[in-house]
Amino acid sequence: EAQVTQNPRYLITVTGKKLTVTCSQNMNHEYMSWYRQDPGLGLRQIYYSMNVEVTDKGDVPEGYKVSRKEKRNFPLILESPSPNQTSLYFCASSLARQGYEQYFGPGTRLTVT
Amino acid sequence: SQQGEEDPQALSIQEGENATMNCSYKTSINNLQWYRQNSGRGLVHLILIRSNEREKHSGRLRVTLDTSKKSSSLLITASRAADTASYFCATDLNTGGFKTIFGAGTRLFVKA
Repeated sequence: EAQVTQNPRYLITVTGKKLTVTCSQNMNHEYMSWYRQDPGLGLRQIYYSMNVEVTDKGDVPEGYKVSRKEKRNFPLILESPSPNQTSLYFCASSLARQGYEQYFGPGTRLTVT
Repeated sequence: SQQGEEDPQALSIQEGENATMNCSYKTSINNLQWYRQNSGRGLVHLILIRSNEREKHSGRLRVTLDTSKKSSSLLITASRAADTASYFCATDLNTGGFKTIFGAGTRLFVKA
């Protein structure tokens, strides 16, 4: 089944404790992206990747890191999480960089205390 | 500031009625897409319209795009209770990289 998976689905952590949210797709998609969703703000793009070893900043990259060492995986790293990073995070992938539908993962609800 | 902005923010209608949602954007785009989200779950793609297209249909969905007004509309005909969800427009920019910008969404509630 074609899908995007994210882990963990729920995470409660403390300020400053490094964490990684994993994202994996099985569709051989080139383009992958991370978004955060906050009430009243819709989805805001954090980082995107057009292919292996090619990443770029979205609209809200501060406090986040990403890497794309393999085509299927695109982890999101929070090196020193802060409470303002409490949010619902979505990973998405699409066949190519634009003009194709994005497939979304189920979301990761992160709480930073 | 956000590229896409939906209007209205919330919409409540009776089953069987049509629902119209609007999206406005600020800069030049390559494509515009509409997505649906059920209650905090992942988004599901509904329809894509390219910048050189004016109208597109998919089942009960009709999307229009007016690039001169930088706006799009999504019409859901004969709404069902199962259409209750949030609807987002997303624009693929054609300047400044390959970002996708989502609007804040319209929450649709269809009463049975």
